[in-house]
Amino acid sequence: GAVVSQHPSRVICKSGTSVKIECRSLDFQATTMFWYRQFPKQSLMLMATSNEGSKATYEQGVEKDKFLINHASLTLSTLTVTSAHPEDSSFYICSAQGAAGVAYFGPGTRLTVL
Amino acid sequence: GENVEQHPSTLSVQEGDSAVIKCTYSDSASNYFPWYKQELGKRPQLIIDIRSNVGEKKDQRIAVTLNKTAKHFSLHITETQPEDSAVYFCAVYYGQNFVFGPGTRLSVLP
Repeated sequence: GAVVSQHPSRVICKSGTSVKIECRSLDFQATTMFWYRQFPKQSLMLMATSNEGSKATYEQGVEKDKFLINHASLTLSTLTVTSAHPEDSSFYICSAQGAAGVAYFGPGTRLTVL
Repeated sequence: GENVEQHPSTLSVQEGDSAVIKCTYSDSASNYFPWYKQELGKRPQLIIDIRSNVGEKKDQRIAVTLNKTAKHFSLHITETQPEDSAVYFCAVYYGQNFVFGPGTRLSVLP
């Protein structure tokens, strides 16, 4: 099946710093990428949808100035958590959707903000 | 917007028995319904999917059925094994994104 990578897998940072998470589709071109946040024992919460070359569409309640998303190419999307705070600590997962419409998940990034 | 419900939230079955998880959705325009399996600490993995022009799809021990009229679809796992223990999420492709159900924690008891 299609492969989606995500980097880093884990990151620990100090409060106030920014963290960038990369999501790559390795063997297919992703027309759309999704970013999710998952709390322990809970479902995936969609944060934003990004299409290559255009601005991301954010879900209600997600601050676009805090969670910067860039989808510069058909194989790469980045999520930058700016001025991170402890409440931003979570598991962030990207999903890449190819031309067939099927979405595949990255392995996730566990962010811990001290 | 689309609303997806999933039942049950937890399910325990004896090894070898069948498990059924059901999801309901609200918008009849939704046309693609995948199921994901998520093991603890790992990414969700697509296990089976179905499109709105099909009523049933089967892949070995896993099957999905779709009732478009009633707006629900179900995951069926037969001859369950301990490695089937995981959290299962249904999803509905609505508009240009996926809406996920809250998940079902399946435990297969040896």
